[in-house]
Amino acid sequence: DAGVIQSPRHEVTEMGQEVTLRCKPISGHNSLFWYRQTMMRGLELLIYFNNNVPIDDSGMPEDRFSAKMPNASFSTLKIQPSEPRDSAVYFCASSFHPDRKYNEQFFGPGTRLTVL
Amino acid sequence: KQEVTQIPAALSVPEGENLVLNCSFTDSAIYNLQWFRQDPGKGLTSLLLIQSSQREQTSGRLNASLDKSSGRSTLYIAASQPGDSATYLCAVSVTGTASKLTFGTGTRLQVTL
Repeated sequence: DAGVIQSPRHEVTEMGQEVTLRCKPISGHNSLFWYRQTMMRGLELLIYFNNNVPIDDSGMPEDRFSAKMPNASFSTLKIQPSEPRDSAVYFCASSFHPDRKYNEQFFGPGTRLTVL
Repeated sequence: KQEVTQIPAALSVPEGENLVLNCSFTDSAIYNLQWFRQDPGKGLTSLLLIQSSQREQTSGRLNASLDKSSGRSTLYIAASQPGDSATYLCAVSVTGTASKLTFGTGTRLQVTL
């Protein structure tokens, strides 16, 4: 298994531009999570999906952030318009449905976003 | 609101030493606790997951214990090696919202030759 796949690995953009981050979860997993990591705030959960349905988006910082999961093998996190304070590493993770006994989360390599 | 604290924030030990990393959480109604390792510039690698009904889990030189009533977990690393150098993070999920992990701030470990 290739694990959780994220693209791009690095993104540098200018303030005001739209940014789209992509994630492919592990095949067979039906929960998907988006996290953000910064030096100041550590790792924070932004949103998670079960069976492609958004369950909790209370961690999404503002309306500039949106996430979609059109099918079981693909999700996007979009920032429009981007701001310098959005600079962070964004991680995607997947797991089996939480009703399963072992809902261990597996993380992708992350996307390092820099907004100038 | 669940808060997770890890002490110490940084630790440096000579190779071969046994060591303990600490994790404490404020809400004892947890579903599970997970320990991760993060190498610089990389993603998180899951090390061990302990369900709330369990007391400990072992994997190779790693042993994680859980005391739910006191809100504590420890990660024991035996015979440390330079390759163990990384940041170690613990995370808990709370009953009722089993999918939501709340992370600690991490312990940065350096194992020296």
